[in-house]
Amino acid sequence: GQNIDQPTEMTATEGAIVQINCTYQTSGFNGLFWYQQHAGEAPTFLSYNVLDGLEEKGRFSSFLSRSKGYSYLLLKELQMKDSASYLCAVRSMGFQKLVFGTGTRLLVSP
Amino acid sequence: GAGVSQSPSNKVTEKGKDVELRCDPISGHTALYWYRQRLGQGLEFLIYFQGNSAPDKSGLPSDRFSAERTGESVSTLTIQRTQQEDSAVYLCASSLESVRGYGYTFGSGTRLTVV
Repeated sequence: GQNIDQPTEMTATEGAIVQINCTYQTSGFNGLFWYQQHAGEAPTFLSYNVLDGLEEKGRFSSFLSRSKGYSYLLLKELQMKDSASYLCAVRSMGFQKLVFGTGTRLLVSP
Repeated sequence: GAGVSQSPSNKVTEKGKDVELRCDPISGHTALYWYRQRLGQGLEFLIYFQGNSAPDKSGLPSDRFSAERTGESVSTLTIQRTQQEDSAVYLCASSLESVRGYGYTFGSGTRLTVV
């Protein structure tokens, strides 16, 4: 089976940097995804990592260490609109479906 | 269409009634997924369709739940004899499975309330 852990909630200030961690246990890792979900809306795709290292996309970056079963999502220059839940999801080899963590609710304050 | 379309957006039903939820994926997307999200919780996998292959039904919580897909187009999720614990947002997603790093595109979901 798979087990994915994320902090339940985080708070940060506008303009700051925040790092949201995700640890996972899976047999046959085949990719890790990050999604953003605003309250009452559908999740939207943010990033994908399958090899170790950092993937950067504007203000958002995602890091993966397969040997440690660890990923983080880094959000820079936080804006109020970044207040949302951030979902970590893992895909296992041989399976196409994504298994999602429970998500981290981020609250950005002025 | 341009995105994944789900209908209805909201459904209130009485306990014991059957409901049918519909999903129209993005044209050309070969894979289609159904997830359930209870209030304040993460996404729970229900079922996955890929082309003409047998669907992965491993996430369906009971035999009251079933889903069908016509080719690579519309899918319907049916819940029979609804129970209050079925109340949740049901999300459909589609993707291009030929591109490994291509994320899912989700629909806006159907909010089901069983009273």
